[in-house]
Amino acid sequence: DAKTTQPTSMDCAEGRAANLPCNHSTISGNEYVYWYRQIHSQGPQYIIHGLKNNETNEMASLIITEDRKSSTLILPHATLRDTAVYYCIVRVGGGTSYGKLTFGQGTILTVHP
Amino acid sequence: GAGVSQSPRYKVAKRGQDVALRCDPISGHVSLFWYQQALGQGPEFLTYFQNEAQLDKSGLPSDRFFAERPEGSVSTLKIQRTQQEDSAVYLCASSRTTGAYGYTFGSGTRLTVV
Repeated sequence: DAKTTQPTSMDCAEGRAANLPCNHSTISGNEYVYWYRQIHSQGPQYIIHGLKNNETNEMASLIITEDRKSSTLILPHATLRDTAVYYCIVRVGGGTSYGKLTFGQGTILTVHP
Repeated sequence: GAGVSQSPRYKVAKRGQDVALRCDPISGHVSLFWYQQALGQGPEFLTYFQNEAQLDKSGLPSDRFFAERPEGSVSTLKIQRTQQEDSAVYLCASSRTTGAYGYTFGSGTRLTVV
């Protein structure tokens, strides 16, 4: 699975949009981009995933560049409860692939009042 | 159940002791994973089950680690002769299919070996 690069930490003011970048320059055509987050003392929580089109759900939006070498997770109105470690993961998906997740160090997002 | 349940939540073991960690996945979920998370690190893959079949155990760090899922539902991760380096949070995750979908993680078992 392709390696990802994320900033170690980011800050965001409550109520503002949080934009978390991820570089995955070696991504292959059949690899999806996944985002998970982990709040302190909890297991990781699935947020969103995509292949090449932008995706949006009730939690966040995922913007993938046209060349698919990078992506951005957007939390439109960050709250204090969004403070967590955010992991960008790239892996093969679809079909019979069970796709184990390879977590990196992630980005520590701190939302300030 | 509503989510993935893991027990115990915390376990303190003396070095050399055997431990068993339990995972109750969401009912009907086909895929089950175990991950190990050391302090300050991201989770690392240990093993994968599809129903009762253990299809990948490439992440198990040694032969002291053993996992089973005999009836395709509840899974147990067993660690024999625990060592201090086994201290970590052990996470279980499940998914209703084998494809490219999001997995639901439990809150984990924090194992401390003293």
